Amino acid sequence: DARVTQTPRHKVTEMGQEVTMRCQPILGHNTVFWYRQTMMQGLELLAYFRNRAPLDDSGMPKDRFSAEMPDATLATLKIQPSEPRDSAVYFCASGLDNPINEQFFGPGTRLTVL
Amino acid sequence: AQSVTQLGSHVSVSEGALVLLRCNYSSSVPPYLFWYVQYPNQGLQLLLKYTTGATLVKGINGFEAEFKKSETSFHLTKPSAHMSDAAEYFCAVSVSWGKLQFGAGTQVVVTP
Repeated sequence: DARVTQTPRHKVTEMGQEVTMRCQPILGHNTVFWYRQTMMQGLELLAYFRNRAPLDDSGMPKDRFSAEMPDATLATLKIQPSEPRDSAVYFCASGLDNPINEQFFGPGTRLTVL
Repeated sequence: AQSVTQLGSHVSVSEGALVLLRCNYSSSVPPYLFWYVQYPNQGLQLLLKYTTGATLVKGINGFEAEFKKSETSFHLTKPSAHMSDAAEYFCAVSVSWGKLQFGAGTQVVVTP
């Protein structure tokens, strides 16, 4: 049963620390999305990759967030330095670059920045 | 630009009653529409999608949605609510190759 995996599932850190979240997309998918979900803002798209190339990261605070795909099996989202307002659940999703295809979501990383 | 609007951020329904979640879309091209469900502490999962063809789409867990072009709507229904239907539901429209625009979500509470 192919699924998107994310690590870690939970992360508690102190303000100013670096946080790295990892995502393994479903094999064969060529699009990867990073979302952030909070009670106040709901579901926000942070970054979007197609064939490992970043297409849209306009939703991401550029000064502290970065997203990369070192290879087709790994996507990373990094926050440096982290701030309490970054506390949220971060989801990774993967899919195919075809408008009729759905995105498949991972279980999320719950980040708490103290 | 394509977008969706979900009417009602919270819906309370009695067990056994009809579930109706409203979604209206805006699109300059024929839309591809999706409904996702998010159970507590989980990621989103696909309930159903409309691409082309039959306007009444059946999904998992007894849910269905009807695409109405004249009303620019894609409302989600289930004839009889179950306690396990308590979750947040998101409507989405395909924006570009693989990218989706999600609505704000509707939280469903099911009361005994």
